[in-house]
Amino acid sequence: EAQVTQNPRYLITVTGKKLTVTCSQNMNHEYMSWYRQDPGLGLRQIYYSMNVEVTDKGDVPEGYKVSRKEKRNFPLILESPSPNQTSLYFCASSLITNSGGPAGTQYFGPGTRLTVL
Amino acid sequence: QKEVEQNSGPLSVPEGAIASLNCTYSDRGSQSFFWYRQYSGKSPELIMFIYSNGDKEDGRFTAQLNKASQYVSLLIRDSQPSDSATYLCAVIRDNYGQNFVFGPGTRLSVLP
Repeated sequence: EAQVTQNPRYLITVTGKKLTVTCSQNMNHEYMSWYRQDPGLGLRQIYYSMNVEVTDKGDVPEGYKVSRKEKRNFPLILESPSPNQTSLYFCASSLITNSGGPAGTQYFGPGTRLTVL
Repeated sequence: QKEVEQNSGPLSVPEGAIASLNCTYSDRGSQSFFWYRQYSGKSPELIMFIYSNGDKEDGRFTAQLNKASQYVSLLIRDSQPSDSATYLCAVIRDNYGQNFVFGPGTRLSVLP
């Protein structure tokens, strides 16, 4: 089954304790992306990756890191989480179109609800 | 001004009616436009995409794009209670054509 998986699904942590949220896709997609979703603000892109070893900042990258060492995996790292990073996080993946941009059909993971105390 | 704006709703329509969802965007260079649906507690899923001015129809859904007015809409004909969800408008910016910007979403409620 084609899917994007995220782990953990729920996480409660404390300020300053480093954490990693994993994301994996089995569709051989080049494009992967991380979003956070907050009430009234919608989905905001944190980082995206066009392929292995190619990553770029989205609109809200501060406080986050990513890596793309393998095509299927795109972990999100919070080196020193703070309460303002409490949010619902989605990973997504898609193919790349002939024009070089991401296809609109992004497949989203189930989400990770993070609470930072 | 937010880059992608939508009325937050809720928009309530009776079953069988046409639901009209609107989205405006500020970056005139935006090139690709998408409508996603998100049920409560679930992940977004793509409904339609549109790249060119005009209408695009897929079953009960019609997307309309007017680049001159920087406006994209989604019409849902014969609305069903199962259409009750939040609808997210998204665009790909022109600069690198690689990152998505989403609107805050419009909550639609279809009343039986």
